[in-house]
Amino acid sequence: DAGVIQSPRHEVTEMGQEVTLRCKPISGHNSLFWYRQTMMRGLELLIYFNNNVPIDDSGMPEDRFSAKMPNASFSTLKIQPSEPRDSAVYFCASRGLRTDTQYFGPGTRLTVL
Amino acid sequence: AQSVSQHNHHVILSEAASLELGCNYSYGGTVNLFWYVQYPGQHLQLLLKYFSGDPLVKGIKGFEAEFIKSKFSFNLRKPSVQWSDTAEYFCAVNANRNAGNMLTFGGGTRLMVKP
Repeated sequence: DAGVIQSPRHEVTEMGQEVTLRCKPISGHNSLFWYRQTMMRGLELLIYFNNNVPIDDSGMPEDRFSAKMPNASFSTLKIQPSEPRDSAVYFCASRGLRTDTQYFGPGTRLTVL
Repeated sequence: AQSVSQHNHHVILSEAASLELGCNYSYGGTVNLFWYVQYPGQHLQLLLKYFSGDPLVKGIKGFEAEFIKSKFSFNLRKPSVQWSDTAEYFCAVNANRNAGNMLTFGGGTRLMVKP
């Protein structure tokens, strides 16, 4: 199994630009999570999906952030417009139906100038 | 709401020293407990987990953790650390499973092992 796949691995953009992060969960997993990691705030859960449906988005910082999961094998996290304070590593994780373990992707390191 | 506390933010040890990282959680019901490790520049990887049964859990790379329900603790231990154990360690709790699949992470502990 390839594990959780995220793209891009690194993204550098300018303030005001739209950023789209992508995640492909492990095949067969039915839950998907988006996290943000910063030095100041540590690891924060932004949103998670069960069976492609957003269950809890209370961690999404503001309306500039949105996430979608159009099918079981793909999810996006979009920031529009981006700001320098959005600079962080964004991790995607997935979990199967019969396990309580989340498996993390390699992350996307986002830098907003 | 559940919360997880890792009291040691930074730990510096010499090789061969023993390690114990503290983790306490606040939730009175049934919990699943995890330790994840994040090596420099890498993603989080599962180190070990506790769901039920023997409260002493053994994980990869010689790590173990003990669940003490009365103390709401799940401390991570390793008898002799190596330089390659330099990483950040995260404790996580999944409580009230009927409410969803969410994990609550502690703030992490950065371990530096001096060669």
